[in-house]
Formats: sequence, structure tokens, C-alpha cells
Amino acid sequence: NAGVTQTPKFQVLKTGQSMTLQCAQDMNHEYMSWYRQDPGMGLRLIHYSVGAGITDQGEVPNGYNVSRSTTEDFPLRLLSAAPSQTSVYFCASSYSRSGQVSTEAFFGQGTRLTVV
Amino acid sequence: SQQGEEDPQALSIQEGENATMNCSYKTSINNLQWYRQNSGRGLVHLILIRSNEREKHSGRLRVTLDTSKKSSSLLITASRAADTASYFCATGSGGYQKVTFGTGTKLQVIP
Repeated sequence: NAGVTQTPKFQVLKTGQSMTLQCAQDMNHEYMSWYRQDPGMGLRLIHYSVGAGITDQGEVPNGYNVSRSTTEDFPLRLLSAAPSQTSVYFCASSYSRSGQVSTEAFFGQGTRLTVV
Repeated sequence: SQQGEEDPQALSIQEGENATMNCSYKTSINNLQWYRQNSGRGLVHLILIRSNEREKHSGRLRVTLDTSKKSSSLLITASRAADTASYFCATGSGGYQKVTFGTGTKLQVIP
């Protein structure tokens, strides 16, 4: 059972470039989310989704887009990378029922992104 | 701003001692979870406590929740060097259950 898989593990981008961070889960979880982790800031929620076709903004959504066309995949797109987006990005998924996230979140191993 | 704030930010103890870390949050919640993160790795779920529960145990972990004070504590008893990690609380709230994390407590257990 693979759980939550993130690719790539490492990425270096130049300012202004765009890219997509991939996230896939094989647990049939409805709830998926993206966080960024910066030193001293903990984890901050970027976007989340409660099911295919439904996404919403978290705490720090600017500069990022998401879509959820399938239950399994929840890609995060950086539209025009900026040095402020240098961070470690984590994708997570959880079982939810009736909109309530009632169980643990499973995390991917993270993508370390550097924007130069 | 983030929902949860952990206290202390860093904690250093000797192996065998107990470690206590606290989490305060701002709005009503449905549940609160604690996670551990080893350096450079993803987060791993430790324990979940629902808003109608006051205390929960799992092995060497004890979690309390005081919804009147909007706070929770995580106690690790008889700590081991392998417990060295960062610990985060996460709250589930809102109609569609956004899950937000605190800033974490960095625990160092000295052998």
C-alpha cells in the first residue's frame, strides 16, 4: 500500500517558471490538502479539497492553483515561481464522511522546492 | 494566522524523564490531533481526541483537552532518545473541516 506519494522530492526553479507538484493517494480518501512548511512557521495550509471537483483556499493560497479531477490526485501548481515560495511542501489525505474529517491525516514525504 | 500554537517551542530533557507540551487554539473545534515529525520527514499521526473527550491514552502518550480553555496537552512518559522529533497539534474545525496545524514543539531527548 503506497499511501500518499509526492513527486518530485526535490526541485530547483528559476523565478517566473511554473511547475506542478504531484500528489496521489491510493486509500480512497476524500479529503486532501497541501501545506508548506517554513522554519519557525510550522505548517500552513495552502489549499484543500473535500472531494473530486471541490477545492477551497487555506491560509496561504496566493500564487498556487489546485484542481481535483479524481479522488486519487491533487496536484499543486505554481503559476510563476517566486523566491518566497522556497519551502518544503507536504500533501496529506484523510478519510472524511459528511464533510467531517474524522481520522488521521496521512502525509507524503514532502517536496523540497528552491526558487532562485 | 494559525489555529494552534504549541508551547514550549523547544524542550530538552534526559532520557527517562517525562515531556509535556501544550497547544492552544482560537476557535471551536471538532477534534484535535497530535503529530510527530522526524527531521526531514513527513508527519506521522500520534493520537486524535474529539471535542467531547477530555483525556485519551495511547501507549506512553497521554493527551488532555480542555475546550473551555481552548487548550490541549501531550505528555510523553519515560521518554526515549527515539522520541526526539518535532510535535505538532492540528485542529479540525469548520463546516468542511479544514485541518490546521500549529507551529510545533521541538523535543530533544538526551541519552
